[in-house]
Amino acid sequence: AQSVTQLDSQVPVFEEAPVELRCNYSSSVSVYLFWYVQYPNQGLQLLLKYLSGSTLVKGINGFEAEFNKSQTSFHLRKPSVHISDTAEYFCAVSKRGNKLVFGAGTILRVKS
Amino acid sequence: GAGVSQSPSNKVTEKGKDVELRCDPISGHTALYWYRQSLGQGLEFLIYFQGNSAPDKSGLPSDRFSAERTGGSVSTLTIQRTQQEDSAVYLCASSPGGYTFGSGTRLTVV
Repeated sequence: AQSVTQLDSQVPVFEEAPVELRCNYSSSVSVYLFWYVQYPNQGLQLLLKYLSGSTLVKGINGFEAEFNKSQTSFHLRKPSVHISDTAEYFCAVSKRGNKLVFGAGTILRVKS
Repeated sequence: GAGVSQSPSNKVTEKGKDVELRCDPISGHTALYWYRQSLGQGLEFLIYFQGNSAPDKSGLPSDRFSAERTGGSVSTLTIQRTQQEDSAVYLCASSPGGYTFGSGTRLTVV
């Protein structure tokens, strides 16, 4: 079975600073990897996904993530954050065509 | 439709009553998933449909929970004899294409 560990429950950062949200997964088979964002009182919005191919994946709102198979990681990065990036971020994994398994989430707090 | 639609957006019910939550997936999406999001429990998988069949029901927490899907489209999640611990946001997603989520139904059991 797959599992996902998001290493930080909260990440405070100042506006215009870079940020990295960490995600590690475990699986005995090849998987697909995802990052979702959830703004207060809203649903989940897909930021980016890794299915195959290039290990550097670019998503919406200036976010990117790098798939590292040897370290079983899929960390999310943004070079310069905005106040509007304040939200909860979820890393998720799935076997092909199967259910998503989510991490516990990381709350990103951007301070001015 | 353009996105995944869930109704109602909010539901308050008395303990012991039955509730039905509806999910209308993106047109043509064959896979449909139900999740529950609650404080302290994170995002929990409930059930997965492929077409009208449910090959994975492993996340349904008790026999009070059931779901069906008809015509390979709309799905209904039914909770019988609701309990306070059922209070949560119930999310639906459809696939392929990256698991697109609806806005959810916030269920409050009083």
